Amino acid sequence: AQSVTQLGSHVSVSEGALVLLRCNYSSSVPPYLFWYVQYPNQGLQLLLKYTSAATLVKGINGFEAEFKKSETSFHLTKPSAHMSDAAEYFCAVSEASGAGSYQLTFGKGTKLSVIP
Amino acid sequence: EAGVTQFPSHSVIEKGQTVTLRCDPISGHDNLYWYRRVMGKEIKFLLHFVKESKQDESGMPNNRFLAERTGGTYSTLKVQPAELEDSGVYFCASSQGATLLETQYFGPGTRLLVL
Repeated sequence: AQSVTQLGSHVSVSEGALVLLRCNYSSSVPPYLFWYVQYPNQGLQLLLKYTSAATLVKGINGFEAEFKKSETSFHLTKPSAHMSDAAEYFCAVSEASGAGSYQLTFGKGTKLSVIP
Repeated sequence: EAGVTQFPSHSVIEKGQTVTLRCDPISGHDNLYWYRRVMGKEIKFLLHFVKESKQDESGMPNNRFLAERTGGTYSTLKVQPAELEDSGVYFCASSQGATLLETQYFGPGTRLLVL
């Protein structure tokens, strides 16, 4: 079974500062990785996904993530934080669970606070 | 296009009672998933429907949980009888296909509190 570790359950950054949310995965096969965001009182929204086409993946709202196989990492970054980025972010890996089924395995999530 | 919708948004019940959660997937999505997040823990897979068939229910905690998807449209997840440890947020997701690359679209979740 694959696993995902998100370092830091809470991260605070100042408005305009770099956002860096960490995600490490454990997988015996090439992984397919996702970042989702959950804004207050909303569902999970896909930010971006890694599908092996390119190691640097650009997503919505100015976020991007870089797949580094040697470090088994898929960290999420944004050059300049906005107040609207305050949310909870989830890293996930897609895996086959057998019998033709696929499921997402999530990290514990990182809550991002943006300080004015 | 409407997204995944879930009803109710919140539910507070007493231990031993029954609760039924409903999920309406995106129209045309054959694949429907249920996940659960217990407070402080990861979001965890419960089961996967392809149309009306259960493709994988390996994540269902025990036989107090019953999921159905009659007609291959909306799905219900019934908890009977509810226990304290069932409290959490129940998410539904849907996708058009079922592959490792497929994006799953999530609903807002149902927040269940068992007292």
